[in-house]
Amino acid sequence: GAGVSQSPSNKVTEKGKDVELRCDPISGHTALYWYRQSLGQGLEFLIYFQGNSAPDKSGLPSDRFSAERTGGSVSTLTIQRTQQEDSAVYLCASSLGQGWGNEQFFGPGTRLTVL
Amino acid sequence: DQQVKQNSPSLSVQEGRISILNCDYTNSMFDYFLWYKKYPAEGPTFLISISSIKDKNEDGRFTVFLNKSAKHLSLHIVPSQPGDSAVYFCAANNLFFGTGTRLTVIP
Repeated sequence: GAGVSQSPSNKVTEKGKDVELRCDPISGHTALYWYRQSLGQGLEFLIYFQGNSAPDKSGLPSDRFSAERTGGSVSTLTIQRTQQEDSAVYLCASSLGQGWGNEQFFGPGTRLTVL
Repeated sequence: DQQVKQNSPSLSVQEGRISILNCDYTNSMFDYFLWYKKYPAEGPTFLISISSIKDKNEDGRFTVFLNKSAKHLSLHIVPSQPGDSAVYFCAANNLFFGTGTRLTVIP
């Protein structure tokens, strides 16, 4: 069975450019999360989608960050006017249903490098 | 402001001995605590969880203990195996993650 997939696996971009990161969750998982992990740091929550509810955007660090989830499945995280501090591994996870205790299944991540 | 803290960045243990990984949190309203294990170049994988209404949960070699009054939880792995070598993250409500502890099990 397919797990969570993310693309691209690596992305190098120049400061000021926009980037789009994609996440394909496990089929049937209604919850989808985005995190990022900067060097030497833990996972930082960015945004959370649950079904058709409005997403929880409380973790987005600035208005340059946005995310969409189309049709309750694929999600795209967009970073506009990238800065060097945006360099990190961006992780996507999905889980069955709502509930803070539900096991999350993580993708392999996208390593973003902003030059 | 870190709501979940793992104060030991690394831990080395001999194969066969017990590994104890610790985690502290600040918010007494958290409902669930989870442990994830991460190998290099892979996403984290779920290991074990505990509800805030319990104080212990066991799954094979892995046991998680929760001390609510101290806002502290720990993951015990016994016996430790070389394949357990990885970075371990604790998480509260799947929203707040610690910085991880790198466990090395020495054969």
